Amino acid sequence: QIVLSQSPAILSASPGEKVTMTCRASSSVSYMHWYQQKPGSSPKPWIYATSNLASGVPARFSGSGSGTSYSLTISRVEAEDAATYYCQQWSSNPLTFGAGTKLELK
Amino acid sequence: EVQLQQSGPELVKPGASVKISCKASGYTFTDYNMHWVKQSHGKSLEWIGYIYPYNGGTGYNQKFKSKATLTVDNSSSTAYMELRSLTSEDSAVYYCARTKLLFDYWGQGTTLTVSS
Repeated sequence: QIVLSQSPAILSASPGEKVTMTCRASSSVSYMHWYQQKPGSSPKPWIYATSNLASGVPARFSGSGSGTSYSLTISRVEAEDAATYYCQQWSSNPLTFGAGTKLELK
Repeated sequence: EVQLQQSGPELVKPGASVKISCKASGYTFTDYNMHWVKQSHGKSLEWIGYIYPYNGGTGYNQKFKSKATLTVDNSSSTAYMELRSLTSEDSAVYYCARTKLLFDYWGQGTTLTVSS
């Protein structure tokens, strides 16, 4: 199966800072999806097909990548962005998720 | 408004089975695959499998093939997941999620606790 490795595991940032988290696949994938999850809530769709923002996602978020390396960037972090972000692929079975990057605000 | 309403928390004994439901509303149930995802406490997400309500076709993660059975009742727009031979390793939150390309709507999650 394709293993997705997310880094860093925990990302600490100050409001207004630019941050980038990465998702590396053990084999090449066609695209990557990203989800945001806050404690006690279901995951929410965040970025689909590598670079498209889901409905309602602020424009300060962006996604990029290809092959085995993908990233999610926040241009200026805000307090509401504190959450865990998961990447997900289904280029091959089984569908897999990364372990998540937890974004903490300083 | 699309909604996926899951059944309530379950407390079951080791070795037993449980059936979790996911009632869909706000869209044509048979047009979208329904997936199930496991999230153990404080951990990441694991894909269990999916069912296509239109024809009942299924696909499973090999890891869960002997653990889970996915079914639907199109008359009530409800998807079900039955988990059998439960152990403490099955204690988790289970989500249903609709998809065409990505998981665009999720249920609220059902907490399963396996304990004697």
